[in-house]
Amino acid sequence: AQKITQTQPGMFVQEKEAVTLDCTYDTSDPSYGLFWYKQPSSGEMIFLIYQGSYDQQNATEGRYSLNFQKARKSANLVISASQLGDSAMYFCAMREGGNGGSQGNLIFGKGTKLSVKP
Amino acid sequence: GAGVSQSPRYKVAKRGQDVALRCDPISGHVSLFWYQQALGQGPEFLTYFQNEAQLDKSGLPSDRFFAERPEGSVSTLKIQRTQQEDSAVYLCASSPRGQREFGNEQFFGPGTRLTVL
Repeated sequence: AQKITQTQPGMFVQEKEAVTLDCTYDTSDPSYGLFWYKQPSSGEMIFLIYQGSYDQQNATEGRYSLNFQKARKSANLVISASQLGDSAMYFCAMREGGNGGSQGNLIFGKGTKLSVKP
Repeated sequence: GAGVSQSPRYKVAKRGQDVALRCDPISGHVSLFWYQQALGQGPEFLTYFQNEAQLDKSGLPSDRFFAERPEGSVSTLKIQRTQQEDSAVYLCASSPRGQREFGNEQFFGPGTRLTVL
């Protein structure tokens, strides 16, 4: 079974509008972390935002926010005020296990290609 | 620079050749990860080092893949007798934290794009 599911292979958004990229996850571990990375055409993975499973509030980083719905096991990324430079692949990832068990490797989804239209 | 670096950035190999891919993590980082990213897919975990110890190699796809980090800093991923299905981007990531420490820092290098003809 897929541990990370990103159901949107591609998304379009108009410049300056907000967009939500979907991510659902599957784990039985009570302690985990959820990540979003941006991968432009240059290939580098750029860390955007992190949410710990015990965090009470949704994570925010500038124009990025993570809509964390634990009961639904979803961790959607919201990008506000889209910019042309936001066009890239976006990957949701999970690290299972907290203190006492985690080595830290990430499990990635297949990604969503976001295209921002001028 | 202060980031993770990888070399070469691009590598073309003939089927059957051996290749070696290098990763220079951020200085002082304890953990080092290798990932393989096939075209159109997300990265998949290959192997993990804490300092010089290879603690997990469960993601290595075959015994043709070998990784080392002898002095706990630079790491090399070696692929012997390359096959066409080895064509992918190989990403390296490092983290200041070790095993059993929970954190959100994992810094990626630019990757090496391997093409096997």
